[in-house]
Amino acid sequence: ILNVEQSPQSLHVQEGDSTNFTCSFPSSNFYALHWYRWETAKSPEALFVMTLNGDEKKKGRISATLNTKEGYSYLYIKGSQPEDSATYLCAFNAGGTSYGKLTFGQGTILTVHP
Amino acid sequence: GAVVSQHPSRVICKSGTSVKIECRSLDFQATTMFWYRQFPKQSLMLMATSNEGSKATYEQGVEKDKFLINHASLTLSTLTVTSAHPEDSSFYICSASGNKQPQHFGDGTRLSIL
Repeated sequence: ILNVEQSPQSLHVQEGDSTNFTCSFPSSNFYALHWYRWETAKSPEALFVMTLNGDEKKKGRISATLNTKEGYSYLYIKGSQPEDSATYLCAFNAGGTSYGKLTFGQGTILTVHP
Repeated sequence: GAVVSQHPSRVICKSGTSVKIECRSLDFQATTMFWYRQFPKQSLMLMATSNEGSKATYEQGVEKDKFLINHASLTLSTLTVTSAHPEDSSFYICSASGNKQPQHFGDGTRLSIL
């Protein structure tokens, strides 16, 4: 059973604060690491797909880094806004016969207060 | 972006009823569709992977006779919960993946069995 852990489970920040959270995953048989944003009553929205050790990706105020050797990824949000409030999910994609299957973490629930 | 439609969004029915959930990819051909289940405060758990025109591959512990999956076309997969009981009450969500596409999710179905 693959273990994908996210921390913290929940986070409350003030508008304008920068924040970050962590996803840890197995460091063996790595193929890709996905980040999704999931707003209430909507479908999960793909943010990033990261495949190479040392990858850094950015989308507006959101960025992510990847360390496959030690098995972790960080998601950063700069200058948080209320509309950033959502659950952020990471998902591990192993290679080989598990190709295509995603193992999700429990998510980090972010609440940004105006 | 790619759109996946899942229907219905909510179902409330009596114990013993069979419930069918549809997952459609609206603007791309989904060679693979995935069905997930989420219990409260837990992560999305993969139930099964279905490829168009072939039998679904179920994850360990998921009863294939209980959760019937059909993927008859490149745009439609269905999950039927047969003779549903209260313990089947959960949130079910599908995702669709095409050639070199990440997984795109539907909005999910909240199933409540009385």
